[in-house]
Amino acid sequence: EVQLLESGGGLVQPGGSLRLSCAASGFTFSSYAMSWVRQAPGKGLQWVSGISSSGESTDYADSVKGRFTISRDNSKNTLYLQMNSLRAEDTAVYYCAKGRGGEIKYYFDYWGQGTLVTVSS
Amino acid sequence: DIVMTQSPDSLAVSLGERATINCKSSQSVLYSSNNKNYLAWYQQRPGQPPNLLIYWASTRESGVPDRFSGSGSGTDFSLTISSLQAEDVAVYYCQQYFTTPRTFGQGTKVEIK
Repeated sequence: EVQLLESGGGLVQPGGSLRLSCAASGFTFSSYAMSWVRQAPGKGLQWVSGISSSGESTDYADSVKGRFTISRDNSKNTLYLQMNSLRAEDTAVYYCAKGRGGEIKYYFDYWGQGTLVTVSS
Repeated sequence: DIVMTQSPDSLAVSLGERATINCKSSQSVLYSSNNKNYLAWYQQRPGQPPNLLIYWASTRESGVPDRFSGSGSGTDFSLTISSLQAEDVAVYYCQQYFTTPRTFGQGTKVEIK
């Protein structure tokens, strides 16, 4: 059974940093692209960042480019999102999502339960 | 960016009746080299993460009930629930994966009338 378990969310002040993790199990992690998708309270879904199966290719939404960094450790079956210079508008539930293939371009066939990030003073 | 626009924003349907949600993309998501539409549909029940229903615009994900179907091509798509069940109360999102950034529609809330 595929499982994705996010952690690392919490309350952080504007300008602060946070690192999210997503522990994956139940599939060959190193064979699939992964993404982070967020959902602000009461709002819709926004794709944030993606990384290919090997980690060689990464991609970001313009709203987080230069502030967020996606990475993965295939030996630990874990996906990461380093978030710096956080803003109030980054407040959201952050979901880890598995791509159907090894490249970033695919749709998402499994999602984690999400971790809440709140940016507030 | 490709803008995805869903209609209606909300929909109330009687149990056992048909529900149809529309999704329009600001540019075609049909890739001519493989004749595939890069369009997916997700269901998000209250308090839950999204769940994949349909990909390539009309291919049902394994385990998804056959009352869910997707259709359309190019820029105009629809998701149909042929006979609404109580467990189908949710928000439904379309998403294009034709190009980056992957963009979602604003969501359509489906309720029981």
